[in-house]
Parts: sequence; structure tokens; C-alpha cells
Amino acid sequence: DGGITQSPKYLFRKEGQNVTLSCEQNLNHDAMYWYRQDPGQGLRLIYYSQIVNDFQKGDIAEGYSVSREKKESFPLTVTSAQKNPTAFYLCASSPGLGISYEQYFGPGTRLTVT
Amino acid sequence: AQSVAQPEDQVNVAEGNPLTVKCTYSVSGNPYLFWYVQYPNRGLQFLLKYITGDNLVKGSYGFEAEFNKSQTSFHLKKPSALVSDSALYFCAVSTDNTDKLIFGTGTRLQVFP
Repeated sequence: DGGITQSPKYLFRKEGQNVTLSCEQNLNHDAMYWYRQDPGQGLRLIYYSQIVNDFQKGDIAEGYSVSREKKESFPLTVTSAQKNPTAFYLCASSPGLGISYEQYFGPGTRLTVT
Repeated sequence: AQSVAQPEDQVNVAEGNPLTVKCTYSVSGNPYLFWYVQYPNRGLQFLLKYITGDNLVKGSYGFEAEFNKSQTSFHLKKPSALVSDSALYFCAVSTDNTDKLIFGTGTRLQVFP
């Protein structure tokens, strides 16, 4: 999965708890992304970041937060405000934010909230 | 608004036969098109992309795709399918008006021995 690590692979939480998903890349990529994958819905963009200390909301940012304090790290926090947090979460990176760059994906974290 | 459609939830093909996974798109502006593959419980892997130039794009693992502007399509093809090609395939589109990728809902390819 190309130099991007996500941990843990499986995560279980009780409803009402915040949880942070880790994403680290050693590809020296500038841009990083978080997607959510649900069955039959493809990938939906949560947040993305072009450079350190800067990030933008994607299409479904409500109930999520991110930080980009280091180039190689882009953690995602799923807050208790997210109504349906159970999903497969994918982190990705690309050399830049330009549309011609392909994205490199991590192996994903499957979050289950009960 | 940009959108991409993968009209088939699943495609079944016998090993050794040619395969096609369909993708159509709707954008304003020039399209930039991508194919990714996902194996079970894994992240996505890049297969190929069309940015400009030759309409026939060759990618990883023997896959290719043809950009057809008049039909707004970017179908993924392979001349001879392998059982190991069985996976979930995603088409994605972007344009020079945005910095985001829009993904289709995915097509599950099943190759039978």
C-alpha cells in the first residue's frame, strides 16, 4: 500500500466516544486526504490538506476533525457528533493537489461503533 | 456538478475471456479520468489515468481504458481475464475546475476459472 500506514486496522468504540484514526506517509507527498467508504456508495471525501497547518472540508466533513501539524501525518478524529460513524476509512496522499496526480491509498481502518 | 456512473454493480467473466468494466462521466470542462482497484479489506491501488493525449491508455496488470469524448465514457478493458483480477474497481473523475476526485460506486469483477 505504497508507504502509507493506517492504524489500527480494526477499531471498536462505544457510541458517544471520540476516536482518532492514524495516517502516516513516508512518500514526502504534500497532499493528504481522508475518505469514507460505505457499501454501494463508493468513496466520499471527508477532509483534505495541501500543506502543513492547512486543510479543507470535503463533501461530508460534519462530525469529523483533522490536523496537519507534520507533513507526514494527517490524523482524523471521529467525534460523537458523527451520526453514523461505522464505516471503512481510507487515507490517501498525492505529490500535489493538482488533478493530474494519482492518489496513493493506505490499507484502511474499519471502525465499528456500537 | 461533476458525476461519474458505473452502471454495473457486478461483472462476471470466464478466465481467458476479454473483460470490460463500464464508466461514464458528466463534467463541465475537460475531464481527467482514473481507474483504481480494491482487493478485499485493502486500500485502493491506482491502475491508469487519462489526462490528455492518446485516447487509449495502458496501465498496470495488462489493463487499458479508452477515453471516448463523444460518449463521455472511459471503459476499462483487458484482453484476457485472470482469476486474480477479481476485485472491486472504481472509476473517478476530476476537472481543471476543482482539486477533488469524484468516485463512482464501484463495480465488482468476478472472474471464474
